[in-house]
Amino acid sequence: GAGVSQSPSNKVTEKGKDVELRCDPISGHTALYWYRQSLGQGLEFLIYFQGNSAPDKSGLPSDRFSAERTGGSVSTLTIQRTQQEDSAVYLCASSPVSGGSNEQFFGPGTRLTVL
Amino acid sequence: AQRVTQPEKLLSVFKGAPVELKCNYSYSGSPELFWYVQYSRQRLQLLLRHISRESIKGFTADLNKGETSFHLKKPFAQEEDSAMYYCALFNQGGKLIFGQGTELSVKP
Repeated sequence: GAGVSQSPSNKVTEKGKDVELRCDPISGHTALYWYRQSLGQGLEFLIYFQGNSAPDKSGLPSDRFSAERTGGSVSTLTIQRTQQEDSAVYLCASSPVSGGSNEQFFGPGTRLTVL
Repeated sequence: AQRVTQPEKLLSVFKGAPVELKCNYSYSGSPELFWYVQYSRQRLQLLLRHISRESIKGFTADLNKGETSFHLKKPFAQEEDSAMYYCALFNQGGKLIFGQGTELSVKP
């Protein structure tokens, strides 16, 4: 079946512009995560959606970052007034959670470059 | 504090040599630990989890609660094992906490 998909695969933007990154999780997965992968920084948790519960936003680095998940499926990560330090690969993952499985399935990522 | 530490950024070995990628964790509860791998130009994927006690692609990892470690081992490295490896801790809040990652390079 189809895995997690993300779009766009690459995004180049100018400093100060807003960007939207999209994630389509695996159908039926109730949990959805966003991470940021920076060179030398490993994987940084950003935000976590689980079913209809309020999202865990504890990893968002600033109020320029926000995310929503519509209808319990597709998610959009928005970065406002982008800065050069926002350049990174943004990864989305989904998890079935049910059945005791906590495995997360990752998308291919969106490479964001802020000039 | 909940933390995963991978002390080596880069590990370089020759083909056929044993390899051990180190992972230490800090967690007050009962940990659930994973190793994820990212091959060149591929997405991050699960390699193995401690609760399964399985061997995948010749890799094993044993949870040592006394030493708070979950090192990944393989007795004979292969060139196709070259990749980025991440140790991760699943916390009760439902999040994966990742280590910084170790790049494994297996030379011919």
